[in-house]
Amino acid sequence: NAGVTQTPKFRILKIGQSMTLQCAQDMNHNYMYWYRQDPGMGLKLIYYSVGAGITDKGEVPNGYNVSRSTTEDFPLRLELAAPSQTSVYFCASSYSGGGNTEAFFGQGTRLTVV
Amino acid sequence: DQQVKQNSPSLSVQEGRISILNCDYTNSMFDYFLWYKKYPAEGPTFLISISSIKDKNEDGRFTVFLNKSAKHLSLHIVPSQPGDSAVYFCAASAVQEGADGLTFGKGTHLIIQP
Repeated sequence: NAGVTQTPKFRILKIGQSMTLQCAQDMNHNYMYWYRQDPGMGLKLIYYSVGAGITDKGEVPNGYNVSRSTTEDFPLRLELAAPSQTSVYFCASSYSGGGNTEAFFGQGTRLTVV
Repeated sequence: DQQVKQNSPSLSVQEGRISILNCDYTNSMFDYFLWYKKYPAEGPTFLISISSIKDKNEDGRFTVFLNKSAKHLSLHIVPSQPGDSAVYFCAASAVQEGADGLTFGKGTHLIIQP
């Protein structure tokens, strides 16, 4: 049982480049989330999805896009990378929403924009 | 404006003693609170949670206390073990408001000394 899998683990981007952070879960969870964690800070919600075909913005969505074509996958797209997007990105999933059920996190993707 | 505050960036405790990690919140709509533990280069893992209708929840060596009037919660670990050395995040959710995703504090780095 793999849980939540994120790829890649590390990436260096140049300003203006684009990339997609991949996230897959094998627990048949409806809810999936993308968070970012800046140094010395807590995790902040970027986007979330309550099921296939449904996505919504979180606290810090600017500069990002998501899609949810299947229950398993929830990729995060950066179109024009900026230094402010240097962060560690965590994908998570949970059986239901609202925060009253345990969320399972991936190992994270460390992104540096130079 | 931080809605979930962990005012101690780090805490050092001797092995075998009690570790007490504190968390304060400002949003009175929060009704569910969780603690996550994070090791370096890994994603956060769920530790323990508490609903606002309770004032205490216990799971083995871990106990979470909630004081709603003071908008304060604490995580007690007793006895502390070397494997408890990690960053602990307090998180909150407004379940009754239908909020999705969690609001995290900045984390407290717990160091268990032998």
